[in-house]
Amino acid sequence: AQSVTQPDIHITVSEGASLELRCNYSYGATPYLFWYVQSPGQGLQLLLKYFSGDTLVQGIKGFEAEFKRSQSSFNLRKPSVHWSDAAEYFCAVGAPNDYKLSFGAGTTVTVRA
Amino acid sequence: ETGVTQTPRHLVMGMTNKKSLKCEQHLGHNAMYWYKQSAKKPLELMFVYNFKEQTENNSVPSRFSPECPNSSHLFLHLHTLQPEDSALYLCASSQGNGRARETQYFGPGTRLLVL
Repeated sequence: AQSVTQPDIHITVSEGASLELRCNYSYGATPYLFWYVQSPGQGLQLLLKYFSGDTLVQGIKGFEAEFKRSQSSFNLRKPSVHWSDAAEYFCAVGAPNDYKLSFGAGTTVTVRA
Repeated sequence: ETGVTQTPRHLVMGMTNKKSLKCEQHLGHNAMYWYKQSAKKPLELMFVYNFKEQTENNSVPSRFSPECPNSSHLFLHLHTLQPEDSALYLCASSQGNGRARETQYFGPGTRLLVL
């Protein structure tokens, strides 16, 4: 079965600085990979996803993620953070032909002025 | 209403109560999901429905009973819950048949407190 680890529980970043959130997965082949964001009091929203092809994926709100097979990673990046990016970010992994997505425990991002 | 809505948004119940959570999706999707979100723990998939048929039951205790009368509505009936069941319960939907590759659209959740 697949699993995902988000090593950072909480990250604080200054507004305008760059942000990188780590995600490591465990799966024997190339999985489906997702990043979701959850703003306070709201449900999760998809930022981006990777199935195959170009390993650098562009998403909404200026986010991108890079799939690295050799490191079993799918890290999320944003070059310049805005205060509205303060939220909880979840990495998820799914197996082809499966129904289940496995989510990480999430990384909380705080943006300071 | 747009997207995925959930009612109530907050619920406090005793261990002997019976209550129900409601989820409605206005996206024309075919698959619906229940998740449990506890603080600092991964989201736990509870149930998946595809065209009203249950396709996944992730070893959920019988005190949680789902009902999917049609593709737009999903209920979670609760009875004799335990304090450890206190959590945020999220509903989601997707366009296809519930496979892992589909983008899921989430509601805002119901915050449940069991006393």
